[in-house]
Amino acid sequence: EDQVTQSPEALRLQEGESSSLNCSYTVSGLRGLFWYRQDPGKGPEFLFTLYSAGEEKEKERLKATLTKKESFLHITAPKPEDSATYLCAVDASGGYQKVTFGTGTKLQVIP
Amino acid sequence: NAGVTQTPKFHILKIGQSMTLQCTQDMNHNYMYWYRQDPGMGLKLIYYSVGAGITDKGEVPNGYNVSRSTTEDFPLRLELAAPSQTSVYFCASSYRGAGEKLFFGSGTQLSVL
Repeated sequence: EDQVTQSPEALRLQEGESSSLNCSYTVSGLRGLFWYRQDPGKGPEFLFTLYSAGEEKEKERLKATLTKKESFLHITAPKPEDSATYLCAVDASGGYQKVTFGTGTKLQVIP
Repeated sequence: NAGVTQTPKFHILKIGQSMTLQCTQDMNHNYMYWYRQDPGMGLKLIYYSVGAGITDKGEVPNGYNVSRSTTEDFPLRLELAAPSQTSVYFCASSYRGAGEKLFFGSGTQLSVL
């Protein structure tokens, strides 16, 4: 069974204090790994897709990287508006339309 | 361009009652999904559809039904509601399926009391 584990569950940073969120996965065959951002009371919003080990993608203060066992979401010099829950999800060779989501990391950035 | 629209945003249901959660998208996406999100748990797939007239079960389909008569609409029906169906429900869509990004609605918070 596909498994996705995110750590930490919660992270509190001072504005400008860089850090990383982790997503480790166990799947039969990775087809894609996704990062989403979810604000309170809203649906997840797509950030990145990574397809193969060594791939990196960037958007503003966020950079996502992928290895064969895990992905990291690096946040550089975060601002309070980066506060949200970040979800990781994997699309594996399960044969049907199933994406397995992690439970998320709740990030709070304090001014 | 509204994207994925869900109604209602909040609802309280009594045990044994039935209701339909509405979902519509204006992006002409073939693929649509219903997820539920519970505290401390990842999003779980309830049902999905790969096009009008075609639906299939996800991980947690018991107690739910869906239909897809048009490309735009994908309603989720709860029959004989139970407290275990208290959750936040999200509808999502994508152009080419689960292997690419999903567009989510803003969710329906449902309580069954």
